[in-house]
Amino acid sequence: GAVVSQHPSWVICKSGTSVKIECRSLDFQATTMFWYRQFPKQSLMLMATSNEGSKATYEQGVEKDKFLINHASLTLSTLTVTSAHPEDSSFYICSATRGGITGELFFGEGSRLTVL
Amino acid sequence: LAKTTQPISMDSYEGQEVNITCSHNNIATNDYITWYQQFPSQGPRFIIQGYKTKVTNEVASLFIPADRKSSTLSLPRVSLSDTAVYYCLVGDIDNFNKFYFGSGTKLNVKP
Repeated sequence: GAVVSQHPSWVICKSGTSVKIECRSLDFQATTMFWYRQFPKQSLMLMATSNEGSKATYEQGVEKDKFLINHASLTLSTLTVTSAHPEDSSFYICSATRGGITGELFFGEGSRLTVL
Repeated sequence: LAKTTQPISMDSYEGQEVNITCSHNNIATNDYITWYQQFPSQGPRFIIQGYKTKVTNEVASLFIPADRKSSTLSLPRVSLSDTAVYYCLVGDIDNFNKFYFGSGTKLNVKP
């Protein structure tokens, strides 16, 4: 199956700093990628939809100025958590689709962010 | 949006068949039903997808009744490594931004 890779898999940062997480589709072109956030023992919550070459579409309640998303190419989307605070500590997961009949979403391994 | 309802948790023993049912009463005509598996600290992994009747692959079967208001994921002869959270998603595969994850079902497989 198609592979989606995230980097870094875990990161620890100080409060007030910014952290960038990369999401790459390794063997296919992804015109659309999605970013999710997952708190412990909770389900995945969609944060935004990232379209190549255009601005991301954010879900209600997600601050676009805090969670900057850039989808500069068909294989790369980045999520930058700006001025991170402890409450931003979470598991961030990206996914991508290559379209087609099956409509399968391919997920990255996730990135664990801990803000001290 | 088609809301899904699943049992919060299920227990099973190794070697048993496990059936997890998902309710989606307001499923739309264009919606597909997709199941994902998630282990702790990992991204979800695709298990199976269907539109109606029955779908089978090498790891699971998906049963969908004629009214499509529910679906059942069937895992044959589970092992300890099948302990995970299983999510049922319902949505139009042309609009993935509408694929919302419900609470999922935590399957605990015991020896």
